[in-house]
Parts: sequence; structure tokens; C-alpha cells
Amino acid sequence: DQQVKQNSPSLSVQEGRISILNCDYTNSMFDYFLWYKKYPAEGPTFLISISSIKDKNEDGRFTVFLNKSAKHLSLHIVPSQPGDSAVYFCAASAYETSGSRLTFGEGTQLTVNP
Amino acid sequence: EAQVTQNPRYLITVTGKKLTVTCSQNMNHEYMSWYRQDPGLGLRQIYYSMNVEVTDKGDVPEGYKVSRKEKRNFPLILESPSPNQTSLYFCASSLLGPQETQYFGPGTRLLVL
Repeated sequence: DQQVKQNSPSLSVQEGRISILNCDYTNSMFDYFLWYKKYPAEGPTFLISISSIKDKNEDGRFTVFLNKSAKHLSLHIVPSQPGDSAVYFCAASAYETSGSRLTFGEGTQLTVNP
Repeated sequence: EAQVTQNPRYLITVTGKKLTVTCSQNMNHEYMSWYRQDPGLGLRQIYYSMNVEVTDKGDVPEGYKVSRKEKRNFPLILESPSPNQTSLYFCASSLLGPQETQYFGPGTRLLVL
């Protein structure tokens, strides 16, 4: 079963507008969440993370929100830039129950149009 | 330059012919991991290693083996590859564990005929 789900395979936004990428999870034991970005023909690169003791983490144009009761997190990119066009993966870990595993979602292809 | 290297980058093989994909990192990281990326399934963890001689299964370990004899190297072994192992493989490392920034290699595209 897919414990981390990104229900939108793709998202298209205009340059300068906000991009909102969503991620849902089913395992209530997940205690740390990360977002990775992937360009074609490259490995993923780390973007931002959040611990389950927080509900928001911000880094420049990128903000991650965590809603534990809804088992939902989202990544906001403001303002969006054409260079942000990539596949975005959310990932989650649950150290106490699954050791050092990391579970990824299916990914969302973001396209930022000039 | 801090990096994770994988070799080969591309590989075409036939069913049953054993192969090894090498992974090496130069950052003195404790944690290393292998993932496969498939359309519609995202990244799935195959195996990970917390330290030398310490390895454990991820979500999709069937058909794969790993070893961690040295801190810097974490090879992925397919003893008898099958077509369902055709995929894009990534090796990654981080300082201590998956909750820290993982640095990924460039990927190995494998086709099993």
C-alpha cells in the first residue's frame, strides 16, 4: 500500500504565481517529512523538511505546511520561477517503527510557464 | 567536490546474468541507500545501510543484495536480474540517517531483456 501519496501527477502555474504541491500520508507514526526536487537526467536534490513537532517551516521562497490531524502536508513556492519546473517528491520517515526507512510519494511534475 | 558516484550510468543486460551497480561517496557519510524510480510509483527504497556491515531492507528488497564493507562504498547486486527490475536506480547518502539531507547520485538506467 502506498503510505505517501501525491495525488496530482502534474501542476502548471504562471511565473510569479504561487505553486502548491500536496502530499497525503496514512502512517500516523511518520515523524519527519522532506521534499526533494528532481530535474531530468539528474538525481533528486533536497529542498526542505519539517519535523512533526512543527506545523510550518520556511526557507526563502519555499514553505512547507504540516497538518497532522489531516495527515497532509503541502509545499508552497512563492513566487514561482521557470527554473522551478521539475518533479517534486515528498518523503516521510518513522524512526521508531520502521527504523531508518524513507518512503516517497509518486511525485508531481511542476511546470512554471514564463 | 562532494559527490555520490554510480557506475555504470546505463546498462542493458539479459535475464539471469548477474550484475553489480557500484556506488561511492566521498563525504564520510554513515547512511547510504538505494532507490528505484518507476513511472507512477515514485522512488521506492530497496536497501539502506546505517554503517559499515549494517544493512537493512527497504520497501522493495526482493531480487537485490547489498554489502557495506567500507564506509564509502555500497554496491547493489542483482544475482539473477529479471525484466521487472528494469528501472532507474539511485544511490544516496547522508551524514547519519534518512531525516537528514540525502545526496543522490546521477542514476543508473537498467534495461533487463
